[in-house]
Amino acid sequence: TQLLEQSPQFLSIQEGENLTVYCNSSSVFSSLQWYRQEPGEGPVLLVTVVTGGEVKKLKRLTFQFGDARKDSSLHITAAQPGDTGLYLCAGPIGSSNTGKLIFGQGTTLQVKP
Amino acid sequence: DADVTQTPRNRITKTGKRIMLECSQTKGHDRMYWYRQDPGLGLRLIYYSFDVKDINKGEISDGYSVSRQAQAKFSLSLESAIPNQTALYFCATSDEGQVPYNEQFFGPGTRLTVL
Repeated sequence: TQLLEQSPQFLSIQEGENLTVYCNSSSVFSSLQWYRQEPGEGPVLLVTVVTGGEVKKLKRLTFQFGDARKDSSLHITAAQPGDTGLYLCAGPIGSSNTGKLIFGQGTTLQVKP
Repeated sequence: DADVTQTPRNRITKTGKRIMLECSQTKGHDRMYWYRQDPGLGLRLIYYSFDVKDINKGEISDGYSVSRQAQAKFSLSLESAIPNQTALYFCATSDEGQVPYNEQFFGPGTRLTVL
């Protein structure tokens, strides 16, 4: 059974600090996605990483896919209050196109002004 | 305008009542999904549908049923609601052309409370 475990589950930091969120599995994934969910809204896709070792940047957010495609990380530089939310990693279930995703349990980030 | 809409946004009901949550989308996607979200558990798949005639159970389908009335509409029903079905429910869509990434687009959610 494929599982995705995120750490930490909760993070509270001051504006301007840096942070890293991890998404780990014992299974190999063909790709991994990161979503952000703000209170009262649904998750919104931030990025998909598809190649082992790949690094993608989205403004102050840096996403990395592990060389073995079993893990991913999200690094935020100089966090802002607007970064507050729930961050979810997700990956396709199975080796073929099942059309389904499995999600990590999420990391709740609170950035205080 | 929202691409994926859900109604109602909030609902409080009593144990034993039948509840229907509705989802509509204007994205033109064939694939639609229903998830529930509980604190600390992420999103868990209840049911999914790849077209009007294709309905599949997810990992936690017991106590739920669905109906795909049209390409754009996918409803979730709780036949006899129970308190442990209190959760946030999300509808999502995906474009078959996104294979194999299955990137999904979510509605705003329905907060359901069963007393």
